[in-house]
Amino acid sequence: TQLLEQSPQFLSIQEGENLTVYCNSSSVFSSLQWYRQEPGEGPVLLVTVVTGGEVKKLKRLTFQFGDARKDSSLHITAAQPGDTGLYLCAGGTGANNLFFGTGTRLTVIP
Amino acid sequence: EPEVTQTPSHQVTQMGQEVILRCVPISNHLYFYWYRQILGQKVEFLVSFYNNEISEKSEIFDDQFSVERPDGSNFTLKIRSTKLEDSAMYFCASSRAREVNNEQFFGPGTRLTVL
Repeated sequence: TQLLEQSPQFLSIQEGENLTVYCNSSSVFSSLQWYRQEPGEGPVLLVTVVTGGEVKKLKRLTFQFGDARKDSSLHITAAQPGDTGLYLCAGGTGANNLFFGTGTRLTVIP
Repeated sequence: EPEVTQTPSHQVTQMGQEVILRCVPISNHLYFYWYRQILGQKVEFLVSFYNNEISEKSEIFDDQFSVERPDGSNFTLKIRSTKLEDSAMYFCASSRAREVNNEQFFGPGTRLTVL
């Protein structure tokens, strides 16, 4: 079973600050997805990265896939209260299932 | 925008009873999945389904579980004899194809409570 560890587990910051969330594994993944999950709802896909070293930007969110395709990071610039939520990374192996990370719960304080 | 739907949103059942959780995947998607999330824990893969058969399943997906695509739109997860530890959120997901980027779109989930 591939394990994806996310850090930090919890993060509480002030509005306007920058932050980075990490997703690390000892396994190689063919793709890496980032999801955001609200309480009582399903994960919502934010982005998919597939190439080692790939960087994707989604407004204030920047996602990077590690060169070796074992790790990924999510950087948020000028965080806003609307960014509050649970951020999940999930690795795909080319088979049909995703391995989800442990999650980072972000709270942005106005 | 197309989305995955699930019914019911909340199911309460007695231990030992059978439950069927229903999902309508996105219409042009070909791969379907079930995941579960026990409260406070991470999302775990249960099973994937393609071309009317299971393509992969996890250790969690034992003989008590089954999946079916009874018609052209629905995808169901059946638990034959529920146990207390089956209490969890169950998410259905679908993807357009078995592509390397493996993008899966999730439904809102069914919260199963086994008493």
